[in-house]
Formats: sequence, structure tokens, C-alpha cells
Amino acid sequence: EVQLVESGGGLVQPGGSLRLSCAASGFSFTTYAFNWVRQAPGKGLEWVSYIGSGGAPIFYADSVKGRFTISRDTAKNSLYLQMNSLRAEDSAVYYCARDRGTRPFDSWGQGTLVTVSS
Amino acid sequence: DVVLTQTPLSSPVTLGQPASISCRSSQSLVHSDGNTYLNWLQQRPGQPPRLLIYMVSNRISGVPDRFSGSGAGTDFTLKISRVEADDVGVYYCLQATHFPPYSFGQGTKLEI
Repeated sequence: EVQLVESGGGLVQPGGSLRLSCAASGFSFTTYAFNWVRQAPGKGLEWVSYIGSGGAPIFYADSVKGRFTISRDTAKNSLYLQMNSLRAEDSAVYYCARDRGTRPFDSWGQGTLVTVSS
Repeated sequence: DVVLTQTPLSSPVTLGQPASISCRSSQSLVHSDGNTYLNWLQQRPGQPPRLLIYMVSNRISGVPDRFSGSGAGTDFTLKISRVEADDVGVYYCLQATHFPPYSFGQGTKLEI
């Protein structure tokens, strides 16, 4: 069974940092690219970042470029999102989602909530 | 960047009746390879989204055949032939033709 489990969310002050993790199981991790997608409370979906199956290419939404860093660890079957210089508008549920090329976002985790507030 | 505009934003429906959601793109979603990478996702209340349809009209395994996708160029439609209670939620279109970035529509809330 395909499973994606996010962790690392929480309450952080503006300007602070958080590192999100997404543990993958039930499939060949190295075969797939991944995305981070976020959803502010009561709002729609916003794509955040993409990483290719081999760690490249990497892309970011303009709203997070220069502040967020996506990475992956094949040995741990895990995806990461390092978030720095956090702002109130970064508050959202963050989902990791598998990318199968012609079938992007074919599996999703349950999400982890990030709240940026003083 | 591509902007996807969904209509309606909210759709009251009757169980057993059809429903239709439109997604219009600010530019053609025909890729240089000839394919059209327009997808549909469903998000039930309190759940993460799930992919329903990829490349305009291809249902993901396990998606009931009452869901169908159609369209071309800039205009696309998700149709539910007979709405069931389980279909309540928010539906999003997503384009991958002009990636990066991926673009989602703003979502259409389907409510009974």
C-alpha cells in the first residue's frame, strides 16, 4: 500500500524556520518525483515545490523561492522541505504528493499543519 | 503563468442528478508533444485531495465511471452522471502542460 506520512509542522514565529518531512513506503521511492502542496485554512491548493526522481530538477513557486528548499534522501525514503524566513501567509496544511509524470499528484499524504504567528 | 478559472465556485446538486464543472485556461493546454495535461482532483471534507482524472479524460483506477472528463484547448469539463452523497467535496482542475509551475483552479464546492 502506498503511504506518504508528513511530519514536522507546528507553531513558529514570523522569521523562524521549520523542516517538514514526508516518509514514503509501499512503492519504489527512487522511481518517482515529488511535490509539496499547501492549503491555507479554508482556501484552495497551492503548489509549492517539485523535485525530480533523481534529485533534479528542482522547482519552486515564486512565493517561496529563496526561502524554501526541497530535498530527498533515498536511503531513508524521505522527502523534506526546509522552510526559512517564514511569514504569516505561509500558514497552511502542507501535503507531500507523489508525481508520476503523466499522472501528477497520484498519491497524497494526510498533511502537516504549519502555523506562523507571534 | 497559466490561470485556471473554474465555474461554478459552488454547485448545489440533487442526489441522483447530474453535475458539471467547467475549467477554463488562460492559454491552450496542448503540449508541444501533442498531449493535453489537464487533470481533475477531488477533496472530500477533512481529507487530502485525490487524483480522479488525468490527461483530460483518463480515470484513475478505482474512480467510478459516473465521473468523466472532456474538453480540449482551453475549455474542460468534469461531469458526474448521477451524484451520490460520497461525491460531496471540492473539485480542482490542475494543469501540467506549462509546468513549472503547476496551476490549480480555485476549486468548486459540490454540495447536496
